[in-house]
Amino acid sequence: GAVVSQHPSWVICKSGTSVKIECRSLDFQATTMFWYRQFPKQSLMLMATSNEGSKATYEQGVEKDKFLINHASLTLSTLTVTSAHPEDSSFYICSAGGLAGKETQYFGPGTRLLVL
Amino acid sequence: AQRVTQPEKLLSVFKGAPVELKCNYSYSGSPELFWYVQYSRQRLQLLLRHISRESIKGFTADLNKGETSFHLKKPFAQEEDSAMYYCALPTPNQAGTALIFGKGTTLSVSS
Repeated sequence: GAVVSQHPSWVICKSGTSVKIECRSLDFQATTMFWYRQFPKQSLMLMATSNEGSKATYEQGVEKDKFLINHASLTLSTLTVTSAHPEDSSFYICSAGGLAGKETQYFGPGTRLLVL
Repeated sequence: AQRVTQPEKLLSVFKGAPVELKCNYSYSGSPELFWYVQYSRQRLQLLLRHISRESIKGFTADLNKGETSFHLKKPFAQEEDSAMYYCALPTPNQAGTALIFGKGTTLSVSS
């Protein structure tokens, strides 16, 4: 149980285009989902916290207009990188909570984004 | 401010040697800490949480409030323990309880 999937697993896009990444909790309902960014050989940095049916809470320094987050259902959250630029290239990881205690999070496999 | 510090970027040991991965935290209140592990080409997964006081894959971690530490220990390292280890601190924000991660320590166990 407690499986989180992400789609796509990797994506290459041209500068200026938008990319949508999906995060799904497959066998449980996630009231809260989190989006992280991980640079090579570095730690995970929290970008935003999203609750189903409400606006996401963004961390300081994260542009909400650039990284659009939608949490339309208890099993799906999406992150859209709008007008992507090469500096947005990174590994994006989502996690979902709500199963075995509110602090326990289950992580997706990540999505590698490369912006040319 | 809440903070997690993992001072070692890389820890290399031989198989059978004891392992201690250091984690120090800064938190006002009573913290609940986690260790997550990321094996090569796999997703991040929970290794253990201090509140459950369990031993997973031979690893244990004790919360020391006096030293504000939550070091991860294993008496005899195995090659399959080679991975990236992250110490994490749950921190409430407006929307939920997010995790603050340390920078991670790569454990390399060789024979």
